[in-house]
Amino acid sequence: DQQVKQNSPSLSVQEGRISILNCDYTNSMFDYFLWYKKYPAEGPTFLISISSIKDKNEDGRFTVFLNKSAKHLSLHIVPSQPGDSAVYFCAARGDGSSNTGKLIFGQGTTLQVKP
Amino acid sequence: DSGVTQTPKHLITATGQRVTLRCSPRSGDLSVYWYQQSLDQGLQFLIQYYNGEERAKGNILERFSAQQFPDLHSELNLSSLELGDSALYFCASSAGLVKGEQFFGPGTRLTVL
Repeated sequence: DQQVKQNSPSLSVQEGRISILNCDYTNSMFDYFLWYKKYPAEGPTFLISISSIKDKNEDGRFTVFLNKSAKHLSLHIVPSQPGDSAVYFCAARGDGSSNTGKLIFGQGTTLQVKP
Repeated sequence: DSGVTQTPKHLITATGQRVTLRCSPRSGDLSVYWYQQSLDQGLQFLIQYYNGEERAKGNILERFSAQQFPDLHSELNLSSLELGDSALYFCASSAGLVKGEQFFGPGTRLTVL
C-alpha cells in the first residue's frame, strides 16, 4: 500500500524555467511533509517542509504547496538551475500509528535541468 | 556533509552470510533511523531507535535486527542474506523522537552475490 506517490518518474525543464514536482498521499493523518533532494552516491538532503496546518511554505527558489482536500503537494523551483538536477523525494510524517518520526517516502522524481 | 557517518560505504558478500552496518549520528541527535532503498524504489523505513530504545518498526525482516549503543551509534545486522537484500541502506538521525529534520548519511551499498 503506497501511502505517498510520485507519479512522474522523471521531469525535464529548461534552465531558468519553473520546475513543478508533484506528490499525492492517501493517509489524512499525516501532519508534516518534506522534500528531499538526492544526488548519486550521496544520501538524501533535506530541502523544504510544510506542516499540515499550512498551505504554502517558501524558501528562496523553493516553494511547497499543500492542498489537503486533494491530498496533494507540489514543489516549485523557480528559476531552475542545472545544479538542481537530482532525484527529488516527497516524504510524509505522522501516519497516526505510533509516536515516531518515521518518514514515508514516495518513489522519487528525477529532475533534469537543461542548460 | 550531514554529520551522519556510515561504514562501510560498499559491502559485497554471498548469500547466507551475515553483515553489520554501522551508523554514527550527528552530535547531539538522539534518534537514529534506518531506511532501505532497493532498485527503483523509494526509501522504505526499517526501524527507529531513540536514546537506546527501539521506538518504531517498519517492514523489517526477522532476519534483520538493530541496536543503538550508549554512545548513540547504531548497528544494523543483516543475516541469512538473500539476493533480494541487495540495496542501499541509509541511516538518518534527528534531535527528537518525533519532530525535527532528519539528516541522512551517505549510505551503505550492499551487494549480495
